[in-house]
Amino acid sequence: AQKVTQAQTEISVVEKEDVTLDCVYETRDTTYYLFWYKQPPSGELVFLIRRNSFDEQNEISGRYSWNFQKSTSSFNFTITASQVVDSAVYFCALSEWGTGNQFYFGTGTSLTVIP
Amino acid sequence: NAGVTQTPKFRVLKTGQSMTLLCAQDMNHEYMYWYRQDPGMGLRLIHYSVGEGTTAKGEVPDGYNVSRLKKQNFLLGLESAAPSQTSVYFCASIMTYEQYFGPGTRLTVT
Repeated sequence: AQKVTQAQTEISVVEKEDVTLDCVYETRDTTYYLFWYKQPPSGELVFLIRRNSFDEQNEISGRYSWNFQKSTSSFNFTITASQVVDSAVYFCALSEWGTGNQFYFGTGTSLTVIP
Repeated sequence: NAGVTQTPKFRVLKTGQSMTLLCAQDMNHEYMYWYRQDPGMGLRLIHYSVGEGTTAKGEVPDGYNVSRLKKQNFLLGLESAAPSQTSVYFCASIMTYEQYFGPGTRLTVT
C-alpha cells in the first residue's frame, strides 16, 4: 500500500493564482516526520519543509504555506501568488521513527505556472 | 564543504555489465540512502545505511548491492545490469531528519 499519496499528477495554473498541492499519508507510528521537496527542471531535489507528528501548527514561509492535519492524515502545501519559477515537481515524503529512518515518497505533483 | 556528491553523473551500460556508483558526504552523517527515480514513480528506496559497516534493504533492493566501509562513502553496485535498471539514482544523507541529496546519476542500460 502506498504510504504517501499525491493524487494530483499534474497541475497548471496561471501566474499569480494560488495553488494547493495535496498530500495524504498513512502510518501507524505515533512519531513520524513529513516533508516537502521541490525538484525543478534542472533535476536536483530541494528541501522545503519538515514537520514532526507532534507539531500540528501550520507554517508560512513567504508565499509558501503548509497545512498539517493529523485527523485527516494530510499535509497540504499551498503556493500563494504563483510565479513561473515555481514550476517544478513537488514531492511529499514520510519518515517513520520506528523503521530505521526509512523515507517514503509520494509520486510527485508536476506544477506548471503559465505566464 | 561539498555536501553530498555522486560519481559518475551519467553512464551508459550494456546489459550484463557491472558498475559501482559512489556517494560521498563530508558532513559526518550517520545515515545514508540510495534511491531510484522513475517517471511517475517518485523516489523509491533501494538500500540504506545507519552507520559505517551496516546496510539494510529498502523498498526495491533486488539487483543491487551496497557497501559502507567508510562513514563518508556509500557505494551502490549493479553486478549484472538490466534495462529495467535504467533510472536516475539519488544518494542522500540525513542529519536530524533533514535529507541532503546528491545531484543524481543518470544511468541508461541498453
